[in-house]
Amino acid sequence: NAGVTQTPKFQVLKTGQSMTLQCAQDMNHEYMSWYRQDPGMGLRLIHYSVGAGITDQGEVPNGYNVSRSTTEDFPLRLLSAAPSQTSVYFCASSSGGYQETQYFGPGTRLLVL
Amino acid sequence: DAKTTQPTSMDCAEGRAANLPCNHSTISGNEYVYWYRQIHSQGPQYIIHGLKNNETNEMASLIITEDRKSSTLILPHATLRDTAVYYCIVPRTSYGKLTFGQGTILTVHP
Repeated sequence: NAGVTQTPKFQVLKTGQSMTLQCAQDMNHEYMSWYRQDPGMGLRLIHYSVGAGITDQGEVPNGYNVSRSTTEDFPLRLLSAAPSQTSVYFCASSSGGYQETQYFGPGTRLLVL
Repeated sequence: DAKTTQPTSMDCAEGRAANLPCNHSTISGNEYVYWYRQIHSQGPQYIIHGLKNNETNEMASLIITEDRKSSTLILPHATLRDTAVYYCIVPRTSYGKLTFGQGTILTVHP
């Protein structure tokens, strides 16, 4: 199994540009989520999904959209990038609820100028 | 998530055991203790979890006190590659509330 994969690894955007961060998992996990991590900080939850077609907001959802059309994929869209969205983004998946182990991807490093 | 308290940083000599403590005095009877670590610039990595009994896997051992108010993660023979931030987490609320605090920065020295 490849586990959780994320693309791209690095991205530089200009303010106002849009982009999609890709996340895929091959473990048939129902639960997937997106976190961001700013320098020296812990991870903060952006959006999460408990199954295909079902998404919900996390702690810091503003400026981001998600959709979950398949079990495998959970893309994160930045509609109009802002410098405050400069961060490292991690995708995670798990087979069950909050007491199940989460598996994280390698991260996408995003710089917004 | 239930509040956890960990030391900010710890040092360990290579080849020695690293013992990382965590206090979780408000833990409830059916809540698990999870340990993750994050090596620099990488995604968090699951290490181990337990409910009330001590647990061991290929990475580490987890010792939970009888009253469950604290636990210790043990890396039996620390290597330089174990240098990372270690997070003790007690997931409590609905999915999506996995809270990573500041964790313990473990530095393994040659």
